[in-house]
Parts: sequence; C-alpha cells; structure tokens
Amino acid sequence: EAGVAQSPRYKIIEKRQSVAFWCNPISGHATLYWYQQILGQGPKLLIQFQNNGVVDDSQLPKDRFSAERLKGVDSTLKIQPAKLEDSAVYLCASSRTSGGAFEQFFGPGTRLTVL
Amino acid sequence: AQTVTQSQPEMSVQEAETVTLSCTYDTSESNYYLFWYKQPPSRQMILVIRQEAYKQQNATENRFSVNFQKAAKSFSLKISDSQLGDTAMYFCAFSQRDGGATNKLIFGTGTLLAVQP
Repeated sequence: EAGVAQSPRYKIIEKRQSVAFWCNPISGHATLYWYQQILGQGPKLLIQFQNNGVVDDSQLPKDRFSAERLKGVDSTLKIQPAKLEDSAVYLCASSRTSGGAFEQFFGPGTRLTVL
Repeated sequence: AQTVTQSQPEMSVQEAETVTLSCTYDTSESNYYLFWYKQPPSRQMILVIRQEAYKQQNATENRFSVNFQKAAKSFSLKISDSQLGDTAMYFCAFSQRDGGATNKLIFGTGTLLAVQP
C-alpha cells in the first residue's frame, strides 16, 4: 500500500511570494490533515478535511493560507503572500475516517524556507 | 483547551538499555486517545503506540510500553533493549475520542532520543 505522498520536498522562496504544496493521501482515506511543524515545536493542525468538506480550520491563518481538496482525494495548501514566520515543515496526513481510533499516516513533509 | 507537555528536550541511552520518556497532558475530556509518535531524522513520522483513556491496561508494542496514569494525567513511554534505529524525535500526542468532530492530534514539543553504541 502506497503511503502519503507530498511534493515538493523542499521549497525556498522570498517573503511576499506565493507557494503551493500538494498532497496525495492513502487510497480510500476519507480524512486528510495539514499540519505545520515549526523548528523546535510539535506539529500543529492547520486544517482537516472529511472527504471534500472542512472539519476544522480554526488555526488556519485565512488571510494568507488556503487549502482545498478537490473530489475528496488530493489536496493543495497555498500560502499567499508568505512571511518569514511561515518557515516550517508542512506535513500532510490521512486516516481512513475521522475519529481518534483511526491511525493518522503522515507523509514526508515539505520543508519551506522563507527568506 | 488541551495541552501536552514534554519536559525532556533531549535524552541519551546506551544500546540495549532501557529509557523512559515523560509526558503530561491537560484535558477536561474523559474519553480520549494518547499516542507516541517517532520522527527519525529526515524521515516521516510513524505511530509507535496508542492508549485509549478508558482502558486501564497499559498498551505494549514489542519493546515499547506505556505507563498511563489517568488521574495524574501522565503518559510515559518506556523503550526496552534500545537499538540504534530508535534514535529519533519522539512526540507525545492527544486526540479526542469521538468521530464527527475534529480528532486533530495535539502534540508536545518532542524529546530527541539518541541511542549510543
């Protein structure tokens, strides 16, 4: 079974530029999560999708971040415009469905550096 | 709001020895899950072990076991017979139990474990 795929693996941009990250979850997984992991901290949830609907985006900075999950499969996370403090690893995870009983499987992450 | 605290930023253990990583949490929920995740250098995060709060028996997975003290809100991870491949950042995490609402993972700041040969 293929794992969670993410691209790109690394991205360097200058502040005020735009960037997009892509995630392909494990086949059949209804729930998809985007986490932000700042250096020295644990991951923090940005947004959670159940199929193509948003379950939780309470910690998503909506003035600059957006995310979508078309057709309930792949997802993209966009930052526009980027700030220095957005430098972090962006982790995508998926689970069979929502609920703490279902294991979240993580992708390798995209490391973003904003200069 | 739920919080997870890991007070040991770094730990070191000799190969084949036993090490315990500490975690405390705060919640007003009665039903929840607790997890330990492992993040090896430059590799993706994987689940090590999971504990359901309503179960009194401590979870075990091969060399990994937990000491779950619900009243004290403590959840420590014991790694027995440490191996070089155990070198990683370990995160303690909390999740609400019920589906339908968010089951986001709330992570601690992590403990960097180095297994020495």
